[in-house]
Amino acid sequence: DAGITQSPRHKVTETGTPVTLRCHQTENHRYMYWYRQDPGHGLRLIHYSYGVKDTDKGEVSDGYSVSRSKTEDFLLTLESATSSQTSVYFCAISESEENEQFFGPGTRLTVL
Amino acid sequence: GENVEQHPSTLSVQEGDSAVIKCTYSDSASNYFPWYKQELGKGPQLIIDIRSNVGEKKDQRIAVTLNKTAKHFSLHITETQPEDSAVYFCAAHNFNKFYFGSGTKLNVKP
Repeated sequence: DAGITQSPRHKVTETGTPVTLRCHQTENHRYMYWYRQDPGHGLRLIHYSYGVKDTDKGEVSDGYSVSRSKTEDFLLTLESATSSQTSVYFCAISESEENEQFFGPGTRLTVL
Repeated sequence: GENVEQHPSTLSVQEGDSAVIKCTYSDSASNYFPWYKQELGKGPQLIIDIRSNVGEKKDQRIAVTLNKTAKHFSLHITETQPEDSAVYFCAAHNFNKFYFGSGTKLNVKP
């Protein structure tokens, strides 16, 4: 398995609180992605990074921000969590743009 | 942006039968089409992929076909086994981003 971890694996929080999810890789891959997975929607891209400090928006970026200060870490922040952000969040990495993505184990986030 | 549609949403087959999952995409600029298998409680895992300059690719019991003119691609699993039971996702790569279908839950009955 690719060396990719996510933390925390589960989180319950309240509406209006800030939340940060962490993705850590040991593969030195250039690209990192954050997705959310909801029933009936498959996986939807939130943000992605194509290098340190280089990030761009995905399909569903509103309410989320990201940062990548080191190759191995990609952080996803919900500045003020809402119930609509209850979801399972997956991080993925890939060596180059059109290459296989390796997914992390996911973080289940519940916003009450 | 790209729009990927996947059918069927659920598929039940008898062990040993074949399973076919179909996806369509909207943007002719999409050029890389991976298929992922997701088991319960885990992240998706790539099972096969195809690039836009190829019409078909096989890997043992799994094959993928691509029709660029019609903008659709399909996953074929032959001689299905109970361990093939999972959710399968297709995806299309377009300008740095991956767009996923909504998933197909495959149930292989022993």
